[in-house]
Amino acid sequence: GAGVSQTPSNKVTEKGKYVELRCDPISGHTALYWYRQSLGQGPEFLIYFQGTGAADDSGLPNDRFFAVRPEGSVSTLKIQRTERGDSAVYLCASSFDKNYGYTFGSGTRLTVV
Amino acid sequence: AQSVTQLDSHVSVSEGTPVLLRCNYSSSYSPSLFWYVQHPNKGLQLLLKYTSAATLVKGINGFEAEFKKSETSFHLTKPSAHMSDAAEYFCVVTGGTSYGKLTFGQGTILTVHP
Repeated sequence: GAGVSQTPSNKVTEKGKYVELRCDPISGHTALYWYRQSLGQGPEFLIYFQGTGAADDSGLPNDRFFAVRPEGSVSTLKIQRTERGDSAVYLCASSFDKNYGYTFGSGTRLTVV
Repeated sequence: AQSVTQLDSHVSVSEGTPVLLRCNYSSSYSPSLFWYVQHPNKGLQLLLKYTSAATLVKGINGFEAEFKKSETSFHLTKPSAHMSDAAEYFCVVTGGTSYGKLTFGQGTILTVHP
């Protein structure tokens, strides 16, 4: 597609529920990144995929968070047993090569009530 | 390790006057540096990037930034502000073993008065 697509754009869930956030990167971009932006903060790194494998998952806050990219294109960020502190905008970005910069999606705003 | 400090959380200017958004970075390696802009309810848009080529980098919409290694700075400037420049701006660093992992500053909200 023309840009990075994230769905849903908004998600409201109850505390303790499971959620999945989807990212569809730009076609041909081998690198895919997930970031989390809390209110009033800059985005914080969660995980980076190169192809199908997670090259760096050091930003995942705990084992409730997991991400996959089984075919090297679409990625899903999964959050188990959601907590109110998980409320944030989750951003996805993709790139063809790091030197060319990163294209960000519009994000998924997750609200845990 | 790498980090970014944006020295002003809010900057307010009048339309037609210069813009200066300040950024200092820390990196154990030769960094790549970026400025992104985020308009309300919009995604992050790349303004410009420095990747060890020319130290004065020109970006979109008349913005430019100068990489100064001795001062570890990468300030963003624009000669004349436009109302449409009102947004939040993020300075970003990556490099070395952290390459691929962007570290964002806290952001600077730019307000432009008519």
